Amino acid sequence: GESVGLHLPTLSVQEGDNSIINCAYSNSASDYFIWYKQESGKGPQFIIDIRSNMDKRQGQRVTVLLNKTVKHLSLQIAATQPGDSAVYFCAENSREGAQKLVFGQGTRLTINP
Amino acid sequence: SQTIHQWPATLVQPVGSPLSLECTVEGTSNPNLYWYRQAAGRGLQLLFYSVGIGQISSEVPQNLSASRPQDRQFILSSKKLLLSDSGFYLCAWSLNGSPLHFGNGTRLTVT
Repeated sequence: GESVGLHLPTLSVQEGDNSIINCAYSNSASDYFIWYKQESGKGPQFIIDIRSNMDKRQGQRVTVLLNKTVKHLSLQIAATQPGDSAVYFCAENSREGAQKLVFGQGTRLTINP
Repeated sequence: SQTIHQWPATLVQPVGSPLSLECTVEGTSNPNLYWYRQAAGRGLQLLFYSVGIGQISSEVPQNLSASRPQDRQFILSSKKLLLSDSGFYLCAWSLNGSPLHFGNGTRLTVT
């Protein structure tokens, strides 16, 4: 069945370094992928998305890479800041119309000063 | 711009009591609406989604129900809460082809 998971449950990085958060998915029919950031006590906040016809997409300080061959998705955060501390979720969708996203378990990113 | 409101932010209810959580969206028409539940330290599980007024799809069998009485209103209900219903409930909206946008959730504790 469908599953989306993360390689590491926690990630610690030094402030100013780049962060890379990884995600694996199992449904080869998935065609839309999203990264969310969730701070404590709040709902997930959209960061960036990518469709399966692309392998890279860049936003402000963030880049998402998609490798469909190995069903792998990553989120890169450049020059990590204290405000980047949060839990990051990847999600995938393989259905048209209503976005019935399947979420991974999340990676907690902590920033060391 | 679009906004989504969920209330209450926190709720403590005894086992066997009823539940009603409300979610409203502003600034858009005919959105897809969703209820997710998040257990502590875990990912999000889709409970219900709706593509229009009165149209509800249930993803998992459970003690909960959902209703959409108006275009931008989505309600999560239970007649009798169980301990296992405790969790963080998130409402979200989307338009076809766009990402989901979440509210700030309701933390429900069933005692």
